Amino acid sequence: KAGVTQTPRYLIKTRGQQVTLSCSPISGHRSVSWYQQTPGQGLQFLFEYFSETQRNKGNFPGRFSGRQFSNSRSEMNVSTLELGDSALYLCASSLFLAGDSTDTQYFGPGTRLTVL
Amino acid sequence: AQKVTQAQTEISVVEKEDVTLDCVYETRDTTYYLFWYKQPPSGELVFLIRRNSFDEQNEISGRYSWNFQKSTSSFNFTITASQVVDSAVYFCALSEAENSGAGSYQLTFGKGTKLSVIP
Repeated sequence: KAGVTQTPRYLIKTRGQQVTLSCSPISGHRSVSWYQQTPGQGLQFLFEYFSETQRNKGNFPGRFSGRQFSNSRSEMNVSTLELGDSALYLCASSLFLAGDSTDTQYFGPGTRLTVL
Repeated sequence: AQKVTQAQTEISVVEKEDVTLDCVYETRDTTYYLFWYKQPPSGELVFLIRRNSFDEQNEISGRYSWNFQKSTSSFNFTITASQVVDSAVYFCALSEAENSGAGSYQLTFGKGTKLSVIP
């Protein structure tokens, strides 16, 4: 079974531009989460989607947004890019089964965004 | 608020030595979930183990073992007979049931421990 895929793997943008990152979950997984990883702040939760609805949101400005499609694929968008948005953006998916105490999140390889 | 502390920033060991990575967590929730992930240089987070707060049984999987102690809020990870391929950054993470439903996880990560295994 294929793992979580993210595209593109690398991206270079300039300040003020906007960017869209894509994530395809493991087949059958219905929940998708996004995380930002930077050297200074570490790994931080951005948001989570299930059934095309945002379930949880981390402490990030409104410039960060996302959505999920009916096939569970997800995109995240960052508008008006700032230098501090340079990071590795990781997507994770999980099955989302009621009462499943073994379910967990599996991560993709990430998209490395550089803002110049 | 939930918090995960990995006090060891970097550890270097010689191949075949045993090494323990420490993780201490803080949570107000009575039900929570703990995880360990490995991040090799390629960047992808690799899932290693999940432990539920209501299951304090420790686990051994090959060269890996985990020691979960609710009394000290610790979830330590030991690699026995380390190998060069174990070199990576290891993250401990916590998800509270309050922020989670079935399959829903808002993970709080520690800062990670960089393990270098020297041949």
